[in-house]
Amino acid sequence: KNQVEQSPQSLIILEGKNCTLQCNYTVSPFSNLRWYKQDTGRGPVSLTIMTFSENTKSNGRYTATLDADTKQSSLHITASQLSDSASYICVVSASGGYNKLIFGAGTRLAVHP
Amino acid sequence: KAGVTQTPRYLIKTRGQQVTLSCSPISGHRSVSWYQQTPGQGLQFLFEYFSETQRNKGNFPGRFSGRQFSNSRSEMNVSTLELGDSALYLCASSSTDRGNSPLHFGNGTRLTVT
Repeated sequence: KNQVEQSPQSLIILEGKNCTLQCNYTVSPFSNLRWYKQDTGRGPVSLTIMTFSENTKSNGRYTATLDADTKQSSLHITASQLSDSASYICVVSASGGYNKLIFGAGTRLAVHP
Repeated sequence: KAGVTQTPRYLIKTRGQQVTLSCSPISGHRSVSWYQQTPGQGLQFLFEYFSETQRNKGNFPGRFSGRQFSNSRSEMNVSTLELGDSALYLCASSSTDRGNSPLHFGNGTRLTVT
């Protein structure tokens, strides 16, 4: 069964600190892996999309990694800011249309001053 | 470029009623997909439209339906509302229907069924 599991469920860090969120998946056939940031009450915003051949992609202070062999991805946030407080959702796409997107449950990050 | 616009932002309905939600995609995007987000189930795919044709449908009952117009704007309809339909309904647009392009989400319609 295609699944995406994220850890931890929630995380609290102090402003300025770094953190890493994890995503493990069992999705076949694999097409791409996406990370989204979702602020409370708003729609998800794309951070990165990685295909099988990419193992690192950055977007400002956000860096995603992908290990297709172990089927693991991580999202590293550097020098966190209060505005980073949000849910981060890992989405894995099996080959095909958008009905093939498998969503993780998300990690809720709170950045405290 | 304007982003994806969803209207209304909030909606309160009573069980048994029906509701129509609207989505205007980014200009030039012909793919529109709809998702339901609840605290318990997370994000779940509802359906996808491309050039006025429904390409895919998720595992939702027939009470959930949608359509896309020639200008790519899309609507989704839920009939005979149930309490469990309370959720954030998100619409996303993309430039292709191949599932490998970035999805641009709107801010959703928060539906509460009482």
